[in-house]
Amino acid sequence: KQEVTQIPAALSVPEGENLVLNCSFTDSAIYNLQWFRQDPGKGLTSLLLIQSSQREQTSGRLNASLDKSSGRSTLYIAASQPGDSATYLCAVIGGDKLVFGAGTILRVKS
Amino acid sequence: DGGITQSPKYLFRKEGQNVTLSCEQNLNHDAMYWYRQDPGQGLRLIYYSQIVNDFQKGDIAEGYSVSREKKESFPLTVTSAQKNPTAFYLCASSTTGGFGEAFFGQGTRLTVV
Repeated sequence: KQEVTQIPAALSVPEGENLVLNCSFTDSAIYNLQWFRQDPGKGLTSLLLIQSSQREQTSGRLNASLDKSSGRSTLYIAASQPGDSATYLCAVIGGDKLVFGAGTILRVKS
Repeated sequence: DGGITQSPKYLFRKEGQNVTLSCEQNLNHDAMYWYRQDPGQGLRLIYYSQIVNDFQKGDIAEGYSVSREKKESFPLTVTSAQKNPTAFYLCASSTTGGFGEAFFGQGTRLTVV
């Protein structure tokens, strides 16, 4: 059974810092990995999708990498801003289901 | 505007009552999913459907039921058999086979009164 772990569970940084969120998964037989953002009381917003044949994807200040063989993905956020404060979730897609990690709660202090 | 619409945003259920949460998508996606989110926890899969008139149980299906009569719609019924239904419910859709990007609705917060 696929299990997804996110580290750290929570992170507090001053504005302007670069930061890395980690996601690991136990079964490397995945199709895609997707990173989401969730604001309090809201649904999930898709940030980046990495297909299994890719090693990374970039969108603005966000860069996500994928290493299937080691079962790891990282989300890099450059020059963090208070508006980046949210919960970040990764999900792996294998077979016909999305399996989520518990998320990393990020707080960026101004 | 393409997307997923969940309604209502807030729902209150009395003890012993069944309630139905609506999920509609206009993305032409074959696959649809229902997740439950409890405070401080990750998302747990309730039911999912890859095609019209077919659906499968997820990890926590007990006390819930679904139907998939139309491609665009995947309603979730929380039955009286669900003993702890207070949670945030999220609906998602994607292309079949998990190759495509998944999109989520804005969620329904269900509270037992």
